[in-house]
Amino acid sequence: DAEITQSPRHKITETGRQVTLACHQTWNHNNMFWYRQDLGHGLRLIHYSYGVQDTNKGEVSDGYSVSRSNTEDLPLTLESAASSQTSVYFCASSATGIMNTEAFFGQGTRLTVV
Amino acid sequence: AQSVTQLDSQVPVFEEAPVELRCNYSSSVSVYLFWYVQYPNQGLQLLLKYLSGSTLVKGINGFEAEFNKSQTSFHLRKPSVHISDTAEYFCAVSPQGGSEKLVFGKGTKLTVNP
Repeated sequence: DAEITQSPRHKITETGRQVTLACHQTWNHNNMFWYRQDLGHGLRLIHYSYGVQDTNKGEVSDGYSVSRSNTEDLPLTLESAASSQTSVYFCASSATGIMNTEAFFGQGTRLTVV
Repeated sequence: AQSVTQLDSQVPVFEEAPVELRCNYSSSVSVYLFWYVQYPNQGLQLLLKYLSGSTLVKGINGFEAEFNKSQTSFHLRKPSVHISDTAEYFCAVSPQGGSEKLVFGKGTKLTVNP
């Protein structure tokens, strides 16, 4: 079965360190998204991609970067982790087209910055 | 730009009682509408979606929602809830025309008590 997986599921890191969260999907979807979930804020879009070599900034992109070198993967990098980036991060993917408007979500990565 | 307001952050109900989770949205363009459910320590799963056509949409697990364009609302309902419906529910919109980015509300925590 096709799926979307995130790794690691839990991560503790120190302030100032670079951290990369992995997202891998086997749906062969063109669209991939990164969200962060914080209490009282719901899910907010960090970055997204509509295909290989395409990346776009979302609502809360400061301090984050992504790259898309293939269809399956969209790693999220925190350049210099800050305590404000402690959150649960979700990756999602979707196909292109009006009738394919369903996003499939990974299980999430809980990141703690100390 | 789009925004979503979920009017209740927490909704406690007793088992077998009916429930309504309220969602209002704002958008300058036509949108698609979604409800997602998140069980504890899991990713989000699509409950139902409105793309076009009949304003009453049926989803999984006995949930349904009604799109009201004049009131810009998309309330979620279930006539009789079960303990297993305890979860967080998110309303989301995506602008028609293919950007396929989801804008989420802040979520409603539904707690079903015996």
